[in-house]
Amino acid sequence: EPEVTQTPSHQVTQMGQEVILRCVPISNHLYFYWYRQILGQKVEFLVSFYNNEISEKSEIFDDQFSVERPDGSNFTLKIRSTKLEDSAMYFCASSEAVGQGLGAFFGQGTRLTVV
Amino acid sequence: QKEVEQNSGPLSVPEGAIASLNCTYSDRGSQSFFWYRQYSGKSPELIMSIYSNGDKEDGRFTAQLNKASQYVSLLIRDSQPSDSATYLCAVRYSGAGSYQLTFGKGTKLSVIP
Repeated sequence: EPEVTQTPSHQVTQMGQEVILRCVPISNHLYFYWYRQILGQKVEFLVSFYNNEISEKSEIFDDQFSVERPDGSNFTLKIRSTKLEDSAMYFCASSEAVGQGLGAFFGQGTRLTVV
Repeated sequence: QKEVEQNSGPLSVPEGAIASLNCTYSDRGSQSFFWYRQYSGKSPELIMSIYSNGDKEDGRFTAQLNKASQYVSLLIRDSQPSDSATYLCAVRYSGAGSYQLTFGKGTKLSVIP
């Protein structure tokens, strides 16, 4: 069964460093997303990406964040200068379309720890 | 501000019983509704979607939607210990190019053998 793949599964970084989280969405999917979940809290939307551009972003997704689809398969999230409060589980998700009832499928997540 | 509310639980049910999980949402423009299951330390797993008023059944799961009351529920029949997880309600507005899912905090379900 096709799945969303994320690497690495766990990343530890020092405050102020740049990190890149990588994702391979399901191959025939057209919509891509990043969500994050701080430990014990709800899943929060960061950004959606369609047709090679950002279609929507949340208040969390400030200038420190960027996304890229460098080739036909990868989708990346970059955090330019990490802060302690960026520590969270980051989930990549993809969906075939956004019609009624069509949900997004999540990768296994990258646990980011900023020290 | 789009809000999705769920009772955090924990909800404890005996094995074989029906578990009933509830969710309310604030935005009347919401069009699609989803239930995700999240095991501890794992990612959300899509288990059901619904967009029309009424019931939708898939195996042991039934999703119910009432748009007038802005209420979504998930029934799990013949609950099994393996159903023990946190169940997340998610809502998509789908207006003006918005594709994001807004999640509730989730209800923790514990099925007691």
